[in-house]
Amino acid sequence: EVQLVESGGGLVQPGGSLRLSCAASGFTVSSNYMSWVRQAPGKGLEWVSIIYTSGSAYYADSVKGRFSISRDISQNTLYLQMNSLRAEDTAVYYCARVREMATVQIYYYYYMDVWGKGTTVTVSS
Amino acid sequence: DIQMTQSPSSLSASVGDRVTITCRASRNISSYLNWYQQKPGKAPKVLIYGASSLQSGVPSRFSGSGSGTDFTLTISSLQPEDFATYFCQQSYDIPMLTFGQGTKLEIK
Repeated sequence: EVQLVESGGGLVQPGGSLRLSCAASGFTVSSNYMSWVRQAPGKGLEWVSIIYTSGSAYYADSVKGRFSISRDISQNTLYLQMNSLRAEDTAVYYCARVREMATVQIYYYYYMDVWGKGTTVTVSS
Repeated sequence: DIQMTQSPSSLSASVGDRVTITCRASRNISSYLNWYQQKPGKAPKVLIYGASSLQSGVPSRFSGSGSGTDFTLTISSLQPEDFATYFCQQSYDIPMLTFGQGTKLEIK
């Protein structure tokens, strides 16, 4: 069964750090684009970061320089290292597989087809 | 950056109604538009990708249309399980995968 399971969330003080994990089963993390998306309490979805199969990583402006996405091939796990945390980083963090679907014009559609259940991060003193 | 704006932000409808939700991009994104459904306390689920392609397993009462800057998600006959929040997302500007702010569909 294709599945993603996040862990590592919790309560952290402003300025602190946290590392989120996302364990995959049923598919290979390194063979797919993988992404983190967050949702602040009562708010909408915010894209946070993506890692390509090549290993190239990209970030939303709101987390650039503070967050780092990575993966462990042997563990088939995606990570999000979060440093210098702020109150506005409080959210449920989801990991997602980004599906690449070829079109007839040789371009690709990208969409998130597998999601974890999320892990909650609370930044507060 | 491409901004995605959904309308309305919320709407009330009854079982059996036909419902349309709109998503507008701040610039041309061709057909690189996805729709997701999210129920309270749950992860989002993809419904439509490429503006109009139905994801496997999604009921055919869901459909998507549009290209360029204006897109719609239509539910042809609302079912009780469709009451949820719906989000659009552009993938034209990948790696930036911007979401709309969401539309909450409530029971009238």
